[in-house]
Amino acid sequence: KAGVTQTPRYLIKTRGQQVTLSCSPISGHRSVSWYQQTPGQGLQFLFEYFSETQRNKGNFPGRFSGRQFSNSRSEMNVSTLELGDSALYLCASSLVRGTGAGYTEAFFGQGTRLTVV
Amino acid sequence: EDKVVQSPLSLVVHEGDTVTLNCSYEVTNFRSLLWYKQEKKAPTFLFMLTSSGIEKKSGRLSSILDKKELFSILNITATQTGDSAIYLCAVMGFNKFYFGSGTKLNVKP
Repeated sequence: KAGVTQTPRYLIKTRGQQVTLSCSPISGHRSVSWYQQTPGQGLQFLFEYFSETQRNKGNFPGRFSGRQFSNSRSEMNVSTLELGDSALYLCASSLVRGTGAGYTEAFFGQGTRLTVV
Repeated sequence: EDKVVQSPLSLVVHEGDTVTLNCSYEVTNFRSLLWYKQEKKAPTFLFMLTSSGIEKKSGRLSSILDKKELFSILNITATQTGDSAIYLCAVMGFNKFYFGSGTKLNVKP
């Protein structure tokens, strides 16, 4: 069973540019969450998508956006990049058992290392 | 505000030592608590705990949850250099995972 796949693995962008990251969840998983990880801030929740709908959003500016497609693949977009956006961006997928039962554990991809110069 | 707090933030031990990592939480609609090990990039799943007082074990690692006092511990016995990693605690609320900042464990030979 293939794991969570994130592309690209590494990315270097300049300030002001925009970037799109991709995440393919484990087959059958419909929940995809995105996280930003930096040495100083730890793992910060960006947003979660389920069945093409954003269900939860963290405390990030509107420059950070995302979407999910009908095959559960998700993309995250960051516009007008800032130096502080340099981080490891992790995507995690979960299987939702159903209302009340909650999610299974989240499985993480290898992440995309974004460097803004 | 929902939060997960891990302690200590970092720890340096020698091979063979036993360590205890702590995770306390305040999360509404608690569903489960999870532990992850992050060595390079992708955090890898260790344990999922949903019931108080039931210890989960995997080799030298074990974990237990106290839902009354709202905390969990992760124990690692006879530590090895390969245990060096960041250990993340996450709590699943209604529709969302809340992560702690992690404990960075460094096991020296």
